[in-house]
Amino acid sequence: QQQVKQSPQSLIVQKGGIPIINCAYENTAFDYFPWYQQFPGKGPALLIAIRPDVSEKKEGRFTISFNKSAKQFSLHIMDSQPGDSATYFCAASKRGNTPLVFGKGTRLSVIA
Amino acid sequence: DSGVTQTPKHLITATGQRVTLRCSPRSGDLSVYWYQQSLDQGLQFLIQYYNGEERAKGNILERFSAQQFPDLHSELNLSSLELGDSALYFCASSVVDITDTQYFGPGTRLTVL
Repeated sequence: QQQVKQSPQSLIVQKGGIPIINCAYENTAFDYFPWYQQFPGKGPALLIAIRPDVSEKKEGRFTISFNKSAKQFSLHIMDSQPGDSATYFCAASKRGNTPLVFGKGTRLSVIA
Repeated sequence: DSGVTQTPKHLITATGQRVTLRCSPRSGDLSVYWYQQSLDQGLQFLIQYYNGEERAKGNILERFSAQQFPDLHSELNLSSLELGDSALYFCASSVVDITDTQYFGPGTRLTVL
């Protein structure tokens, strides 16, 4: 049973475009929703995270939108750059330093 | 650099063998998590330790075991290795606070031949 579903699997956008990656979760006990960025040969690095008490969070060019009733959240990357080309993972966990449940990942390519 | 270190970076071994992966968490982090990343299964949680005690168990095979030592470093032991165990193994650490943030190490790439 896949608890966090992520789409699309891959995404190609032009430089300056706004890629959007979507995730849906099933477990209503999830209370923490981070996004991780992973470059080839590296470990996942935390990008931005949100809790269900807010509907949007912005950090630099990265924005998370959260819809609690639909159990969905998404990542938007404004003014995307070739350096943003990486694999992005959404995740979810319950409160209190519990294990993360990851989506399958989205491979993003930003072309100049 | 997340502050989490893992050794070795690469490991090549044969089926049936046993290996040990090591993780040093960020200074002050009491919680250590182990994750496996494979092409078909994605990132999957294996096991969590908190201040030396096992706290949560995920999809960890019986052939795998882990422990966390008094200095808080952790080791993941993989035995009777099979071809399907080839994967990236990541360790993450977190401080126990309200942020729930986990910081990942650079990983160990295990290849079983």
